[in-house]
Amino acid sequence: AQRVTQPEKLLSVFKGAPVELKCNYSYSGSPELFWYVQYSRQRLQLLLRHISRESIKGFTADLNKGETSFHLKKPFAQEEDSAMYYCALSYNTDKLIFGTGTRLQVFP
Amino acid sequence: KAGVTQTPRYLIKTRGQQVTLSCSPISGHRSVSWYQQTPGQGLQFLFEYFSETQRNKGNFPGRFSGRQFSNSRSEMNVSTLELGDSALYLCASSLGAGVEQFFGPGTRLTVL
Repeated sequence: AQRVTQPEKLLSVFKGAPVELKCNYSYSGSPELFWYVQYSRQRLQLLLRHISRESIKGFTADLNKGETSFHLKKPFAQEEDSAMYYCALSYNTDKLIFGTGTRLQVFP
Repeated sequence: KAGVTQTPRYLIKTRGQQVTLSCSPISGHRSVSWYQQTPGQGLQFLFEYFSETQRNKGNFPGRFSGRQFSNSRSEMNVSTLELGDSALYLCASSLGAGVEQFFGPGTRLTVL
């Protein structure tokens, strides 16, 4: 069965520290991987997707098919990065399978 | 461009009742998906509709149903409500499969 695992419920860092939010998935085919973010009192929104291979707000994520991982990284965290981050998987449809999410807290 | 809208934003129902939630996608979007968000289970997929056809269905009981109209607006219905149905129900729209999905603000359903 398809599954997305985010092992950390909470990740706390200080401003300027590097951040890595972990995401592992299980799927036998070629999935599309996404990171969605939900800031306080805002809607869930797409942060980035592996197929676009771009950096958004300083975040990057590389799909590692060998390790079935799609970790989200940022070299220097900012306070405004504090939010809930969800890793998600889809395969040829709009059905998204979400991980349980990681809350990122960036302290000043 | 107006975003995805969901009505109502809040609902309080009692066990055994039924409820209908509505979602209006972004203009031009033909794909609408529904998700249930709870603290315990997180975000779980309910349905996906494209051009009035259900393309995917999640692992929910038959009490959960949905439909999509010719103008792409979608509704979901939950019959015989249970306490465990209390959740935030999110709707998302997109142009099609695999393209970015845009989420609505959600409908907060409380079952007493």
